[in-house]
Amino acid sequence: LAKTTQPISMDSYEGQEVNITCSHNNIATNDYITWYQQFPSQGPRFIIQGYKTKVTNEVASLFIPADRKSSTLSLPRVSLSDTAVYYCLVGDLRDDKIIFGKGTRLHILP
Amino acid sequence: KAGVTQTPRYLIKTRGQQVTLSCSPISGHRSVSWYQQTPGQGLQFLFEYFSETQRNKGNFPGRFSGRQFSNSRSEMNVSTLELGDSALYLCASSLWDNYEQYFGPGTRLTVT
Repeated sequence: LAKTTQPISMDSYEGQEVNITCSHNNIATNDYITWYQQFPSQGPRFIIQGYKTKVTNEVASLFIPADRKSSTLSLPRVSLSDTAVYYCLVGDLRDDKIIFGKGTRLHILP
Repeated sequence: KAGVTQTPRYLIKTRGQQVTLSCSPISGHRSVSWYQQTPGQGLQFLFEYFSETQRNKGNFPGRFSGRQFSNSRSEMNVSTLELGDSALYLCASSLWDNYEQYFGPGTRLTVT
């Protein structure tokens, strides 16, 4: 069971780069790392997924070191609309042993 | 392409009643999963359907059931509602057996 640890909350300012780190010390060999974003009263939205090294898409980058015991979600030039809860998940959501934790509440200030 | 839709968005029921929630996946998606989200327990997996067959099931009592139709639309039913069933019920669809799931807006169920 891959448990994840993230900061409970973070504040940043518009235009800044935000990095959210997640620890997952007992990640399994075949586990992928996925990040989701969730706004109040909405379903989680897939942001990015990776297995190792670096993955980049149009909204974020994901950095995974060689030992895969942590991962960092990087949001470039955040805006007020990026204020949300960000969840780090290891493995498959459909595994009933997965714990979708409390996430990181990111608050972007003007 | 339209996203995942769920109906109704909000629902208030009393203890002992039953409820049916509906989910329409993204066109072409054949996998539909259901989740319960509460402030205390976070997001918990209920079950997954693929091609009208339940493929995975989470650790929930038998009062929670579901089905999937030939057009991939899915319904979830909860019988004999309890106060603890109050939650946001989320549906997610994906193309095949991969990790990238697309969530709907959810149905907020309140049991009084």
